[in-house]
Amino acid sequence: AQTVTQSQPEMSVQEAETVTLSCTYDTSESDYYLFWYKQPPSRQMILVIRQEAYKQQNATENRFSVNFQKAAKSFSLKISDSQLGDAAMYFCAYSRQRDDKIIFGKGTRLHILP
Amino acid sequence: DAGVIQSPRHEVTEMGQEVTLRCKPISGHDYLFWYRQTMMRGLELLIYFNNNVPIDDSGMPEDRFSAKMPNASFSTLKIQPSEPRDSAVYFCASSLSGGSKDEQYFGPGTRLTVT
Repeated sequence: AQTVTQSQPEMSVQEAETVTLSCTYDTSESDYYLFWYKQPPSRQMILVIRQEAYKQQNATENRFSVNFQKAAKSFSLKISDSQLGDAAMYFCAYSRQRDDKIIFGKGTRLHILP
Repeated sequence: DAGVIQSPRHEVTEMGQEVTLRCKPISGHDYLFWYRQTMMRGLELLIYFNNNVPIDDSGMPEDRFSAKMPNASFSTLKIQPSEPRDSAVYFCASSLSGGSKDEQYFGPGTRLTVT
């Protein structure tokens, strides 16, 4: 069975600094998708970034980028120039390419220190 | 589009009562997902529909839970009878196609408290 593990329940970073959130996953598939979702205090889940496993290039969305290490089954999220609005719970997620559903990790709560 | 709409936003009920949560997906989205979020278990998929048909309900915890999608613009998640351990935030999400191909758009969630 596929699993997604986020080993850091909570993290803190100083405003304007860079932080990296860790995620590992377990799968026997070769084609799949990986996601990072953000859940701010409003509870609304928002897709931050998406990576297709067959693409070697790491996905980037403005200040958010990933480090995708397929062999190591690692998918970390880097947030550059952290802003107060980045404070949220971040979920790493996985989906098989031929599947419709997404499996979520337990999340990492990120605090931004002013 | 207004996004995924869920009602109510908060529900407090007593153990043994029936609870109905409602969801209106984004127009044109063929997939609808129901999730439950708790501190202990994180975000769990309960059931999902494709074109109003339930595809996978393996995440539904037990027979007390049921979900329906009578048409493309409305779905319900019912708990009968409710128990304190059902207390959680329940999310509805929709997507244009399957979750891995297109982004899932989440509603604001319903916080359910069963006393």
